[in-house]
Amino acid sequence: EAGVVQSPRYKIIEKKQPVAFWCNPISGHNTLYWYLQNLGQGPELLIRYENEEAVDDSQLPKDRFSAERLKGVDSTLKIQPAELGDSAVYLCASSLGDPNTGELFFGEGSRLTVL
Amino acid sequence: GEDVEQSLFLSVREGDSSVINCTYTDSSSTYLYWYKQEPGAGLQLLTYIFSNMDMKQDQRLTVLLNKKDKHLSLRIADTQTGDSAIYFCAESRVGGTGKLIFGQGTTLQVKP
Repeated sequence: EAGVVQSPRYKIIEKKQPVAFWCNPISGHNTLYWYLQNLGQGPELLIRYENEEAVDDSQLPKDRFSAERLKGVDSTLKIQPAELGDSAVYLCASSLGDPNTGELFFGEGSRLTVL
Repeated sequence: GEDVEQSLFLSVREGDSSVINCTYTDSSSTYLYWYKQEPGAGLQLLTYIFSNMDMKQDQRLTVLLNKKDKHLSLRIADTQTGDSAIYFCAESRVGGTGKLIFGQGTTLQVKP
């Protein structure tokens, strides 16, 4: 069974440019998460979807970040415009059932470098 | 607060036991987790424990929970070089929305 697939794995852009990340969760997983992982830190939740509904986006900086999960499957996370401080790894994860007891399956992440 | 704290680095010799420690602040935590992250990879769930338990064992892994002191530990018996990775402690809360609060991770180095 395929795991959580993310692309691109690496992205280098100049500040003020836009960037988008894509995630394909494990088939059948209704819950999808985007996490931000800064260097040397643990992941921090940006947004969580239950099917196509964003049920927790309290940590998403909405002035420059946006996300969507059309049809409740794939998801994209966009940053426009990117700032130097956005350099980090963006992790996508998915889970099935109760998010408190179910295992989160993480993708390999998309590493963003903003110059 | 939402702090989950871990020591940053642990070095052990192959075959020894490793103990990775974690402290958390929120007494309403319901589940506590240990995730492993290998270089360039996503996080992988190793094990989790419900807050009304004080110990869980799974093959080489033993999780101990001291709820009074809000202290969680992960013991890896017979540590192997393949265990070298970053280990993250995480918690979720009562009525939580599936949001996990992660510690900053402990880098485990296993020397041959």
